[in-house]
Amino acid sequence: GENVEQHPSTLSVQEGDSAVIKCTYSDSASNYFPWYKQELGKRPQLIIDIRSNVGEKKDQRIAVTLNKTAKHFSLHITETQPEDSAVYFCAASSSGFNDYKLSFGAGTTVTVRA
Amino acid sequence: GAVVSQHPSWVICKSGTSVKIECRSLDFQATTMFWYRQFPKQSLMLMATSNEGSKATYEQGVEKDKFLINHASLTLSTLTVTSAHPEDSSFYICIPPRRRDNYGYTFGSGTRLTVV
Repeated sequence: GENVEQHPSTLSVQEGDSAVIKCTYSDSASNYFPWYKQELGKRPQLIIDIRSNVGEKKDQRIAVTLNKTAKHFSLHITETQPEDSAVYFCAASSSGFNDYKLSFGAGTTVTVRA
Repeated sequence: GAVVSQHPSWVICKSGTSVKIECRSLDFQATTMFWYRQFPKQSLMLMATSNEGSKATYEQGVEKDKFLINHASLTLSTLTVTSAHPEDSSFYICIPPRRRDNYGYTFGSGTRLTVV
């Protein structure tokens, strides 16, 4: 099955700086890569996603890049703000035999220092 | 868009009792449903997949006799935690698989289970 690895597990950045979270996946059939933000006590919320036919996608301060050959994708948050503090999960989904199962990375706790 | 209703949102139960969690698809039909568990400060791990009209598929290490999963109809999937123990305290969330023409996932609201 799919194995998604995520690094780092914790990330502390100064307000205004950038944050980068990296993930790798194992299943070459995976074709959809969403990123979720989870605040304490709440369910994960989708913040950005990318399909395998796209190399980069940007939405205001958030961007995601995908390297299919290397099987890794990254989340970039620019001009970080205190409200960006949360746990971020990457995920991968395959359209293959495993019926679109969503596999999550271990998560990154991001702390933005004011 | 797809809407998934999950109930209850939180529940406290005594050790040894059973708890049923319901997941309903309100505006679409789902032949399968993924059930995930999230322990504190951990990631979401797939427990099992319910299948309408057939037995659920459990991930390795998940006790099928303890976590009863039923897909009663095309709009209802349930997870019953039987003989609950404090170590079963967790956040449980249902997620229907994405459709072939729609890459997005809709999450249930989640159920926080505390066993005392």
